[in-house]
Order: sequence, then structure tokens, then C-alpha cells
Amino acid sequence: QQQVKQSPQSLIVQKGGISIINCAYENTAFDYFPWYQQFPGKGPALLIAIRPDVSEKKEGRFTISFNKSAKQFSLHIMDSQPGDSATYFCAARANFGNEKLTFGTGTRLTIIP
Amino acid sequence: DSGVTQTPKHLITATGQRVTLRCSPRSGDLSVYWYQQSLDQGLQFLIQYYNGEERAKGNILERFSAQQFPDLHSELNLSSLELGDSALYFCASSVTGGGTEAFFGQGTRLTVV
Repeated sequence: QQQVKQSPQSLIVQKGGISIINCAYENTAFDYFPWYQQFPGKGPALLIAIRPDVSEKKEGRFTISFNKSAKQFSLHIMDSQPGDSATYFCAARANFGNEKLTFGTGTRLTIIP
Repeated sequence: DSGVTQTPKHLITATGQRVTLRCSPRSGDLSVYWYQQSLDQGLQFLIQYYNGEERAKGNILERFSAQQFPDLHSELNLSSLELGDSALYFCASSVTGGGTEAFFGQGTRLTVV
């Protein structure tokens, strides 16, 4: 019940296109959903996060869409750029007791010119 | 720069040996988390400390242990190392355990030969 399922495993998008990464969770106790961006040789960096009381959050070219009833959330990267090429992880956390982040398996995003 | 400092960045050691990884959290952060990242397992939560006390335990082997010191830095001790322990080990910190973002360090790449 602690799993977070992420897809696709890898994604190639043309420059200027929209990159979409999807995640689904099972544990209804999760109430915080961050996305992390990781470049090779670096630690994961927080990109954007959402709580289940809103259905969408936008920060610049990055948008999280959240569907509480379906227990799904997704990351949209608009006007994708070569500098966005990285591995993206979705995560989830329950805000009581054990506050660890449960991560998805990651999506390797490549933006081609 | 996340403000979380991990040392060393790289470590090569032989099977059966013991190593210590060190983490300095962001100034003011009371919680420290340790994660293991391997190619086939993704980011796995190992253990969390909050203000010197163990707060939560994940998939941490008995050969591994951690502690958080009064100055809030943390150490992860890995003993009787096996080839399969080769991975990236990340430390993250947050102000409190819940409701706040976790910031990751650059990681320690451990190679067991």
C-alpha cells in the first residue's frame, strides 16, 4: 500500500513540446506529493509539490495535475527545453507518524532539438 | 546548492569492510533522512532522525546503522560490506518531519569491490 507507480520509464520529447509524466498511488493517507528533478551525479532537487486540496499547481513551465478520486497525479512540462533533460521522480508522503518520502521509479526525460 | 553537505563524494572499498558516510543538514533543519539509490531499486528510504532521536526506519539492513549528533549532523555506518551495497547514498533534511520540503545532498557514491 506504500507504492507509488510512475510511468513512463523513459520519454523522448522534441524541443518545444509538452512532456507528461504520470504517477499513481494506493495509500489514501498520503497528503503531500512532490516532484524531484535529478541530473546525473547530483542529488534530487525539489521541483514542485502539491497537496490534495487543489487539483492543479503551476510554477513557470511546470504544472502538477492532481486527481484525488483516481489517486493519480502528473507532471506537465510545457515548452520542453534540452536543459530539462534529467530524471524525474514523483513522491508521496503521509503527514503523520512515518514522514518518509515514497518515491516512484523515475522517468528519464530526453529533450531533442 | 541545497545546503545539505555529504562527505565523501566517492568511496571505494573492499567487501567485508566498514565505512562511515557523513551528512550535515541545512542550517535549522532538525530532521535527517537517509536514502539508498541503486539502478534496480530506485530511491529507497533507509532511516530518519529527528533532533537526535530515531524517528522512522525503512528498508535498512541490520549491517547498517545511523545516528544523529547534538550538532544535528548525521552519520550512516555500513559494515560487512557486500558487492550489492554499491549504490548512491543520499541524505536529505527538513525543518520538521512533516509538512515541509526535504532537500537532498549531492550523495556519496559507494563502490564495493
